[in-house]
Parts: sequence; C-alpha cells; structure tokens
Amino acid sequence: GQQVMQIPQYQHVQEGEDFTTYCNSSTTLSNIQWYKQRPGGHPVFLIQLVKSGEVKKQKRLTFQFGEAKKNSSLHITATQTTDVGTYFCAGGRTGYSTLTFGKGTMLLVSP
Amino acid sequence: DGGITQSPKYLFRKEGQNVTLSCEQNLNHDAMYWYRQDPGQGLRLIYYSQIVNDFQKGDIAEGYSVSREKKESFPLTVTSAQKNPTAFYLCASSIPGQGRETQYFGPGTRLLVL
Repeated sequence: GQQVMQIPQYQHVQEGEDFTTYCNSSTTLSNIQWYKQRPGGHPVFLIQLVKSGEVKKQKRLTFQFGEAKKNSSLHITATQTTDVGTYFCAGGRTGYSTLTFGKGTMLLVSP
Repeated sequence: DGGITQSPKYLFRKEGQNVTLSCEQNLNHDAMYWYRQDPGQGLRLIYYSQIVNDFQKGDIAEGYSVSREKKESFPLTVTSAQKNPTAFYLCASSIPGQGRETQYFGPGTRLLVL
C-alpha cells in the first residue's frame, strides 16, 4: 500500500532558527496537505497543495510540492515558541477517498 | 457554533470490556473517519464512512466496529478483541472529494485500558 515517510521525526531549535520538515510518498499524489497538532491537541489543517511544483506561503511558513508530486516540504523561517507542535503531511491519491498521513515531525522551540 | 465533538475526553476501562467512543458533527459533512494515534506512529485509519449506512475498513480495523445510522454521528466501539486498545482516538469529518478533502478533527478521546 501507499506509504508516506516524513523526516525528521523530531527537531529541537532555538527561537529564531529556521526549521524544515520533509515528506516523501511511495506513489504519485493528487494533492498533499499539511496539519499541525499542538501538544495535547488535535490536528488542524494548514494548507493543501495540488499542482506540480507549487509553492505557497503563510506568513513565516513556506510549503512546496515537488515536480513529480511525490514529495513536499514545510519550511518555517525564524521559529517562535508558538510554532511548537507536531507537523503532519497527508497525501491523497486520485480515485481514493482517504488520506495517508506521515508519522509527523515534532518541533520543540526553546526561547 | 459548528464543529466536531468527541466524548468523553478521557476514558478508563478494564481489560476485556467493550467501550464505545462518541463522535458527533454539525458541519453537514457526508464523510467521517476514525483514527488511532500512538506516540511516534502518526495517524492510522481505523474506519471511514462516505455516506449514511455505509462504511469501510481502514488500515487497522481489527478489534473495532462502527455504525453510521445518522449523518451527524459515527460511534466507534473498541471491542475486547483489540489487543492493545490504549491510545488517543481522533474522529474527523470532511466533504467527500476523492482524496482532496480537508479533514476537520474533533478534540479526541484518550482511552486507557487497565
């Protein structure tokens, strides 16, 4: 079956440093979505990418979808303590009605 | 105020007992999902339903059962056949969209089986 791998599993940064998490799928995706889960909370939708090579920005967050639509990345510039949480990517495929989630990257930001 | 509610937030059960987790949504979404989350394992799909009175097994359905008698409700029963039921259970809903739908999650239920 489809697999979505996400690295790193965990990252600890100092406030102000940049952070990047990477997502790779074993199959071509129709879209990739990113979710954030705060400690003790539930996943919350951040963004969806659909087009090959697509880049979207949300303030300090930059999301990219690879040309082959099999990989994606989330980059946070100048992290803040409010960025703490686990970031999940989730891939969808044409003809399938479910998403496959990566295992997530846990981000810890020290002040 | 639209959203997804799950109850209870924490649930304790003795080994060998069945337990039912509640999930209700007022977003008028046709599709609903149940996920299990363990530390370091991400979200694993248990069951999903695209429409009332229909549901499909996900990746880890063994030891679980569901029903979908109403659009708003998708309860999950953790049976005694589930070998390791202690986990965080998340319910989600979406508008069906062939894998492009955004999923909205409830607050989750933490189940501890002693």
